[in-house]
Amino acid sequence: GNSVTQMEGPVTLSEEAFLTINCTYTATGYPSLFWYVQYPGEGLQLLLKATKADDKGSNKGFEATYRKETTSFHLEKGSVQVSDSAVYFCALNRDDKIIFGKGTRLHILP
Amino acid sequence: EAQVTQNPRYLITVTGKKLTVTCSQNMNHEYMSWYRQDPGLGLRQIYYSMNVEVTDKGDVPEGYKVSRKEKRNFPLILESPSPNQTSLYFCASSLGLAGKSEQFFGPGTRLTVL
Repeated sequence: GNSVTQMEGPVTLSEEAFLTINCTYTATGYPSLFWYVQYPGEGLQLLLKATKADDKGSNKGFEATYRKETTSFHLEKGSVQVSDSAVYFCALNRDDKIIFGKGTRLHILP
Repeated sequence: EAQVTQNPRYLITVTGKKLTVTCSQNMNHEYMSWYRQDPGLGLRQIYYSMNVEVTDKGDVPEGYKVSRKEKRNFPLILESPSPNQTSLYFCASSLGLAGKSEQFFGPGTRLTVL
């Protein structure tokens, strides 16, 4: 069945470091892929998405490319800030639902 | 302001005492759903609704009920709560199907069942 696997956290980085959070998926067909972010004490919000192979989603300095050959959708940012500290969820759509990964907690140290 | 609201935000209750968590959205969205978030398990869908009077089970529906009598409201009902339903609950809404439209999440309800 369709599923999402993302790297376990927490991930701790210093401000201005390069960030990669790995996400791989298994799916039948060609799902859309998403990254959602959950800031402390809040609900999830959509960070970026890609709907077909080789698409690149981007927002707030974050990027992720839909790689069909490696079934991956890794999240990257060139220079993280303390305000990026949050939990990040990779997700894909299955029929009319979304399947979320378990989340990766990110801590950015000043 | 476009938003999804949930009430209460925090609730401590005892086993077997019926409770309702309300969810309301002001964006005229067709699709609404409930998730629970547990450490190490991420978000799992409980129930969803594609329109008024149309509801369907998600991945973990046991012990929960929902109703969709009005487009804006989608309450989650626990008829006889048990300690394994202690969790953080999120309501979400979207214009279309969850897989095709951005979902907007409420702020969450932290439930503790003693």
